[in-house]
Amino acid sequence: GIQVEQSPPDLILQEGANSTLRCNFSDSVNNLQWFHQNPWGQLINLFYIPSGTKQNGRLSATTVATERYSLLYISSSQTTDSGVYFCAVRGAQKLVFGQGTRLTINP
Amino acid sequence: NAGVMQNPRHLVRRRGQEARLRCSPMKGHSHVYWYRQLPEEGLKFMVYLQKENIIDESGMPKERFSAEFPKEGPSILRIQQVVRGDSAAYFCASSPWAAYEQYFGPGTRLTVT
Repeated sequence: GIQVEQSPPDLILQEGANSTLRCNFSDSVNNLQWFHQNPWGQLINLFYIPSGTKQNGRLSATTVATERYSLLYISSSQTTDSGVYFCAVRGAQKLVFGQGTRLTINP
Repeated sequence: NAGVMQNPRHLVRRRGQEARLRCSPMKGHSHVYWYRQLPEEGLKFMVYLQKENIIDESGMPKERFSAEFPKEGPSILRIQQVVRGDSAAYFCASSPWAAYEQYFGPGTRLTVT
């Protein structure tokens, strides 16, 4: 089955810093989604991005499907950005999740 | 447009009891997916259903677990004779068609004592 690897596993930054999270996947995929799981456990959809680049405020994402990776950029981090960021790729009908990157933003 | 709804949000069961988790998809969505998240882990696929049909149950444990999505009403994930290892967060997602973005509910946190 498809393997999804995310890096780094943990990231600690000061408020205002920028960060790049990476997602590598082992096979061609039909779609790719980025999620933020907040400290209360809720999963928030960030991007649906099978290919190309999208931006939403301070967040942007790029997927290069031919090279099997996606990047999530967070600029000017805020403490509310803390939580776990998951990449998930769709093989067949189901989403396969990576293990996540735990982001901690200190004030 | 309300999001995906799950209830209960928290459920405590003693070993050997049954747990019933409910999921109402977003309006207009006929595809439902269940995922399980063990502590400190990513989400793992369990089952994919459309109205009255199980499409893919490759992630479901062979025993004690079942799922349904009837013509009327929410999708139900049922766990019989729960054990401590079933303690986890169970998330439901829905999409308007199979190849599209999935939207997640808030999850049900099951604790087995």
